[in-house]
Parts: sequence; structure tokens; C-alpha cells
Amino acid sequence: DTGVSQDPRHKITKRGQNVTFRCDPISEHNRLYWYRQTLGQGPEFLTYFQNEAQLEKSRLLSDRFSAERPKGSFSTLEIQRTEQGDSAMYLCASSLASVSSYEQYFGPGTRLTVT
Amino acid sequence: AQRVTQPEKLLSVFKGAPVELKCNYSYSGSPELFWYVQYSRQRLQLLLRHISRESIKGFTADLNKGETSFHLKKPFAQEEDSAMYYCALNFGNEKLTFGTGTRLTIIP
Repeated sequence: DTGVSQDPRHKITKRGQNVTFRCDPISEHNRLYWYRQTLGQGPEFLTYFQNEAQLEKSRLLSDRFSAERPKGSFSTLEIQRTEQGDSAMYLCASSLASVSSYEQYFGPGTRLTVT
Repeated sequence: AQRVTQPEKLLSVFKGAPVELKCNYSYSGSPELFWYVQYSRQRLQLLLRHISRESIKGFTADLNKGETSFHLKKPFAQEEDSAMYYCALNFGNEKLTFGTGTRLTIIP
């Protein structure tokens, strides 16, 4: 499967614990995006990278959230001191930024449940 | 601020009947709009984008700047069209703002 992959697919954690998610984009894609989706809502933009540079962060991304893309390939999203409100589906997407194409390809998501 | 509104959370249509999924947007810049679809147990995928003016799986969508709308249409619904549909707005560098989605059910 050469699509975007995410790991783990499901994560249950207790409030106050730290969690880390991983996203592997399509190999030649230089842009990587993180979104969060809660029940009944569409995905909400969190942050994105062009290669290894984090170019923008949403106001939704509190200081408990940090994302990295150290070598311009895979990315991690860490949530520290999780709260019940962090329970959501976390989606990763990647794209090859060019003049003619910028379709975002989504991964299957990581579903986080904070108890 | 940019916003995408999909007024219908649920829409049921008989097979063979026309389908229209509504999407309205607000954005001060030049809009670029997309429709994404999520079939059962599958990941979110791009259905179509307004700049390409293409028809995918029989679906079309026309950007109406006067009415700030980007409704998705198909003349004859098929059972395999049952899915969750999201309208999305590119608000710069392909960062997307999504609507809340419409779950389309095609009744056999």
C-alpha cells in the first residue's frame, strides 16, 4: 500500500497521559498536514509542513500539542497531558505541491479516546 | 474568516433520482473549492475540484460566486453513491476548511 499510513489506528489513554501519533506520507510528497475531526464535524486544520519546516499552526493547536517532521518524511504529533476534549480522530494528509496539482491524500486516521 | 456551510446533515434520495448536495461558503479571498467523499470504512478522498471543471462518477459542481455556493449535483443517483460528502475551501497553501458534511443515502 503506497498511500498515507498512520499509526496507531486507535489509542485509548487516561487523562493526563502523553500520546504520540505517527504519519507516513506518500514518499514523494513534500507537504504534510494534520487535521482533527470530532463527531459530527468535518476535519479541522491543525498544522502543516513543507518538507521539514512547520509553516503554519492553527489556533486550535494549544501548547500541549507539538508536531515534527524531522527529515521531511514521516511526521509525529504529540499531545501532552491529554484532556477528555482531545478525544477525536486525528487525520494526516500529504500532497505534492506544484502548480498543476495539490490534491491532498488522506490517511485512515488515528482515533484517540481519553478516559 | 473562512467558513463552509453544508445545511443538510442527512439526505436520502431514491435510486435514479437527481441528487443535489448544498454547500455555501464565506471567504474574502478568491475561493478554491473541493468536494471530498468518504465511503463506508474508507478514507477521505477527493471527488472533484472546481478549477478542473470535471465530472467524476457523474458528479459535477459549479462555483457560483454571486451566491457563494458550490453545490454538488448528479442527475441519476446510484446505490454506490451512498457516502459522507464534505465540501472544503482552500484558504491558502491548500489548507482546507471543511463543512460539517452531508450523509447521502441512496434508497434502492
